[in-house]
Amino acid sequence: QQQVKQSPQSLIVQKGGISIINCAYENTAFDYFPWYQQFPGKGPALLIAIRPDVSEKKEGRFTISFNKSAKQFSLHIMDSQPGDSATYFCAASKDFGNEKLTFGTGTRLTIIP
Amino acid sequence: DAGVTQSPTHLIKTRGQQVTLRCSPISGHKSVSWYQQVLGQGPQFIFQYYEKEERGRGNFPDRFSARQFPNYSSELNVNALLLGDSALYLCASSLEGPRGYGYTFGSGTRLTVV
Repeated sequence: QQQVKQSPQSLIVQKGGISIINCAYENTAFDYFPWYQQFPGKGPALLIAIRPDVSEKKEGRFTISFNKSAKQFSLHIMDSQPGDSATYFCAASKDFGNEKLTFGTGTRLTIIP
Repeated sequence: DAGVTQSPTHLIKTRGQQVTLRCSPISGHKSVSWYQQVLGQGPQFIFQYYEKEERGRGNFPDRFSARQFPNYSSELNVNALLLGDSALYLCASSLEGPRGYGYTFGSGTRLTVV
């Protein structure tokens, strides 16, 4: 049973544009929702995370939007740059992130000039 | 500050063999987790240890085992290797707390079973 569904599988965005990746979860016990960025040959790196008591969190060019009633959250990358080209994973966890992470299937993002 | 370190970085094993992967968490982190990432997929949870006790186990066969040592480093063992065990094995550590701090991942061990 896949508890976190992620879309799209791949995304191509022009430099300077906005990249949007969406995730939906099923388990209402999840209370911590991070986004990870992974480059080839490297482990996932934490980008930004949100808890369900807020609807939006922004850090630099990265914003998470969270819709608790719809059980959905999304990552927005503003002013996308070629260096943002990577695979992005959403994830979810319980106990404020102290428990295991359940990952989405990943989105391969390519930023073109 | 050193991040999460894993060894070895790459490993080639033959079917039926056994393998041990090692992980050193960030200094001060007492929680260590292991994940398996098959090419093109998201990481799948294998084990979580906190203060040397197993806190959680994912849906993996008993061929997979792990332990955490008094210095909080950890080992993942896989017995009777199958071709399907070929994957990137990731270790992550966390500074646990009432509000959580998230996990920091190492670069992983790439295991190839031939």
